[in-house]
Amino acid sequence: GAGVSQSPSNKVTEKGKDVELRCDPISGHTALYWYRQSLGQGLEFLIYFQGNSAPDKSGLPSDRFSAERTGGSVSTLTIQRTQQEDSAVYLCASSDDPGVVNEQFFGPGTRLTVL
Amino acid sequence: DAKTTQPNSMESNEEEPVHLPCNHSTISGTDYIHWYRQLPSQGPEYVIHGLTSNVNNRMASLAIAEDRKSSTLILHRATLRDAAVYYCILRDVVTYKYIFGTGTRLKVLA
Repeated sequence: GAGVSQSPSNKVTEKGKDVELRCDPISGHTALYWYRQSLGQGLEFLIYFQGNSAPDKSGLPSDRFSAERTGGSVSTLTIQRTQQEDSAVYLCASSDDPGVVNEQFFGPGTRLTVL
Repeated sequence: DAKTTQPNSMESNEEEPVHLPCNHSTISGTDYIHWYRQLPSQGPEYVIHGLTSNVNNRMASLAIAEDRKSSTLILHRATLRDAAVYYCILRDVVTYKYIFGTGTRLKVLA
């Protein structure tokens, strides 16, 4: 079946512009996660959606970052007034079991470059 | 959040077993030990997880120390396709969050 998809695969933008990154989770998965991976680093948790509950935004690095999930499916991560330090690969993952196992299925990521 | 410590890199010869260590001395009683790996230019993929007992699956084995302060991921016969960054992660069963470290970059030599 189809896995997690993300678009665009690459995004180059100028400092100060806003960007939107999209994530299509696996159909039926109730949990959705966003992570950021800077060059040569591990993954940094950003935000978590579970069903209709309020999202956990505790990992968002600043108020320039926001995310929404419409209809419990597609999610959009928005970065306003981008800065060069926002350059990274943004990864989305989904899970149908936020319990003990919580196997997360990751998308290929969006590589964001802020000039 | 509990942290994990892994060597930055390891090398193995093809067809030989690989033991990837992970230290997690601050692990709590509710933390599960998860391993993911990230192949080049891909998102991470699940490998295995455990709580107290050793675990086996088709990809690997997980050996957990009796005091749970360390664990070892075992690839029984490394192949070139196993070259990846391997992440050892603690996950609290209550808070669901994964805290990724920098992982171990495994190089497999032909």
